[in-house]
Amino acid sequence: GAGVSQTPSNKVTEKGKYVELRCDPISGHTALYWYRQSLGQGPEFLIYFQGTGAADDSGLPNDRFFAVRPEGSVSTLKIQRTERGDSAVYLCASSLGGTYNEQFFGPGTRLTVL
Amino acid sequence: AQRVTQPEKLLSVFKGAPVELKCNYSYSGSPELFWYVQYSRQRLQLLLRHISRESIKGFTADLNKGETSFHLKKPFAQEEDSAMYYCALAARNFNKFYFGSGTKLNVKP
Repeated sequence: GAGVSQTPSNKVTEKGKYVELRCDPISGHTALYWYRQSLGQGPEFLIYFQGTGAADDSGLPNDRFFAVRPEGSVSTLKIQRTERGDSAVYLCASSLGGTYNEQFFGPGTRLTVL
Repeated sequence: AQRVTQPEKLLSVFKGAPVELKCNYSYSGSPELFWYVQYSRQRLQLLLRHISRESIKGFTADLNKGETSFHLKKPFAQEEDSAMYYCALAARNFNKFYFGSGTKLNVKP
């Protein structure tokens, strides 16, 4: 079946602009994670959704970052007033939830802030 | 603070040689540890998890709580094992994952 998809695959924007990154999880997966991966680093946790609610948003770096999952499926990561330091690959992953369930990752969105 | 450390950025071995990718962690609770792999131009995917005590593609990893380590091992490396390997720790009932910075394994023919 279809895996996790993310759009766009690449996004180039200018400093100060607003961007939205979309994640379509595997159907039926209740858990959804967002990560940020900078060059040469591992994925850095941003936020975790269980259903529609953000169960843990402790990884969001500041209030310019916000994520929603209004119907418990598709999620959107929103970044306001982008800065050059926001340039990274943003990864989304989904799982069945609960303990020990495998996370399935999307291909990522490469965000470049000029 | 929770942390996962992978001290080697790059590990090069010849085909057929043993491989050990190091992972050390810092966590105040009972850790749940994983190895993820990313092959060239593919997505990040789960390789193995310590709770399962499984061997995947000939790789094994043992959790050593005394040394706070979860090293990944394979007795005989294959060229197709060349990839980026990330060690990860799950915290807060799997609400949050911490990843190491990754080790690039290069298996030479």
